[in-house]
Amino acid sequence: GESVGLHLPTLSVQEGDNSIINCAYSNSASDYFIWYKQESGKGPQFIIDIRSNMDKRQGQRVTVLLNKTVKHLSLQIAATQPGDSAVYFCAERPIGGTSYGKLTFGQGTILTVHP
Amino acid sequence: EPEVTQTPSHQVTQMGQEVILRCVPISNHLYFYWYRQILGQKVEFLVSFYNNEISEKSEIFDDQFSVERPDGSNFTLKIRSTKLEDSAMYFCASTGEFSGANVLTFGAGSRLTVL
Repeated sequence: GESVGLHLPTLSVQEGDNSIINCAYSNSASDYFIWYKQESGKGPQFIIDIRSNMDKRQGQRVTVLLNKTVKHLSLQIAATQPGDSAVYFCAERPIGGTSYGKLTFGQGTILTVHP
Repeated sequence: EPEVTQTPSHQVTQMGQEVILRCVPISNHLYFYWYRQILGQKVEFLVSFYNNEISEKSEIFDDQFSVERPDGSNFTLKIRSTKLEDSAMYFCASTGEFSGANVLTFGAGSRLTVL
């Protein structure tokens, strides 16, 4: 079942470390996955996306890995900086929806980067 | 950088009152969305809107909710008779043509508090 409420998973790292944030998605029919970053008082901000026909995609300091066998998505942040501190959400889009922007969000992980 | 703007940033209302949340999507975008986030919980899809009509809605989006694009720039969410459980952060999002832009751009959100 889903967990709800205020107890989000947390990850604390030191500045300069690499961070790995994990997400288990629910729908094996999803064809598109996105990572969003949400800073306090702001809306979700796009970080990186990946389609289901890929297993890895790299951006600037970020890498997304997709394991469809176990329905697992991860976000790797290299050389984490204090400005990376935020809540990170994974999101998925199921195949066959009529709305391409209808995303199902995960619960979120709080990343705290200590200087 | 183009952005989605939302007003008001915070609205406090009494239970049973009508509320209208406003959004100005990115100017060349064609698909518009409302999401909500109850404090400490996931971001949840409410409704998508394209070509002046709802293309998809969630079970949350009942008869108390409506959306409208009254002119060429604004996109509104109306809650006819607010309930305590409508208290949440409401995010507007937009995206361009599907073939070119799957990425949703979110606004900073409107916090609704129902007393």
